[in-house]
This record gives sequence, structure tokens and C-alpha cells, in this order.
Amino acid sequence: DQQVKQNSPSLSVQEGRISILNCDYTNSMFDYFLWYKKYPAEGPTFLISISSIKDKNEDGRFTVFLNKSAKHLSLHIVPSQPGDSAVYFCAAYSGSARQLTFGSGTQLTVLP
Amino acid sequence: ETGVTQTPRHLVMGMTNKKSLKCEQHLGHNAMYWYKQSAKKPLELMFVYSLEERVENNSVPSRFSPECPNSSHLFLHLHTLQPEDSALYLCASSQDPLTGGFNEQFFGPGTRLTVL
Repeated sequence: DQQVKQNSPSLSVQEGRISILNCDYTNSMFDYFLWYKKYPAEGPTFLISISSIKDKNEDGRFTVFLNKSAKHLSLHIVPSQPGDSAVYFCAAYSGSARQLTFGSGTQLTVLP
Repeated sequence: ETGVTQTPRHLVMGMTNKKSLKCEQHLGHNAMYWYKQSAKKPLELMFVYSLEERVENNSVPSRFSPECPNSSHLFLHLHTLQPEDSALYLCASSQDPLTGGFNEQFFGPGTRLTVL
């Protein structure tokens, strides 16, 4: 059973609007949560992370929110740009296992 | 070269072939990883090496054999693969904190493997 789930395989957003990507997890022992972005023919690149003791982390246009009681995190991109079009992977890190567990990804398309 | 490089970028092989995937990291990291990404599925962790010692093997079939001769190089030796092994194989590296904490993983571009 998947411990990290991204239930939306795709999302389309108009340029300049907000993109909200969602992720749910089942293991309450994860220590960090991350978002990776992947363009075609490239490996995933790290975007932003959040510690399990925080509820928000912001970096420029990107903000990650963590709701531990709901075991839910989200990535907000505002304003969205066409260059943001990529597959976004949610990942969770367990310090005890020293492993990253990934979701299946969400394809974001930002329309000009 | 910078970052994490992988060769070859594309590989087509028959079920009886033996081939190897190569990964090299130029970031001074001490941990390296092999992941498998099948279509529409999450990245699956296959192997983890920290300080050149294998620390994790996630129930991967023996037809996949990793090798880590030093902290900069990682290989994945392939033999008698099955068509369902066709996937994107990604290598990553990080600085293993060893004593807790977290450092993000940096990925290579991947090898697209097709098994006929």
C-alpha cells in the first residue's frame, strides 16, 4: 500500500493564477516532506521541503503547507508561469529508515 | 561534468543480455541511490549505499546487481531481465547525515531501459 499518495495525476492552471498540488500520507513517523519537480528527459530536482514540526515553509513563489492532523501537505505556486509546467512529486523522509518515499506525481500544465 | 551523470541515457536489451548502468556524482556526497520509475507509478527505491556500504536493498530481484566501488561511482548490473523491468532508472546522491537530520537527494537524468 502506498504511504505517499498524489490523487490528482494532472492539473491545468491559467498563467498568473495559483496552482495547488496536494499530497496525502499515512505514516505519522515521517520527519520531512519534500517536493521535487521533473521535466521530461531530466531527473527530478529538489524544489522545497518542510520539517514535520513546521506547518508552513515559503520560498519565493513556492509555499508548502503541512497539516499533520490530516496527514496532508500541499504545494502552492503563485503566480504560476508556463515554465512551471512539469511533473511534481511529493516525497516523505523517514530519518530512522533513512529513505525517501515518493508519490506517483502530478503533471502540472500552466496555460499561457 | 557537474552534478549527477548517468550513462547510457537509453538502452534496449534482450532478455538474455548482460548490461550495466553507470552513475557518477561530482558533488562530494557520501551516499548514492538507485530508483526505478515505471509509468504512472511512484519512484521505487531499489538500493542505497552509504560510505560505499550497501545499507538498503528493497527486495529487488537478483537479476539487478549493484556495485559501488567508491563514493563517486555507482553501477547497476543487469542480466536476464524481463520485459516488465522496462522503466526509467534514476540514480541519486546525497550527503548522508548518518546521525539524523536530512539532506536532499540530487538526481541524475536517468537511463530509459527497454527490455525486449
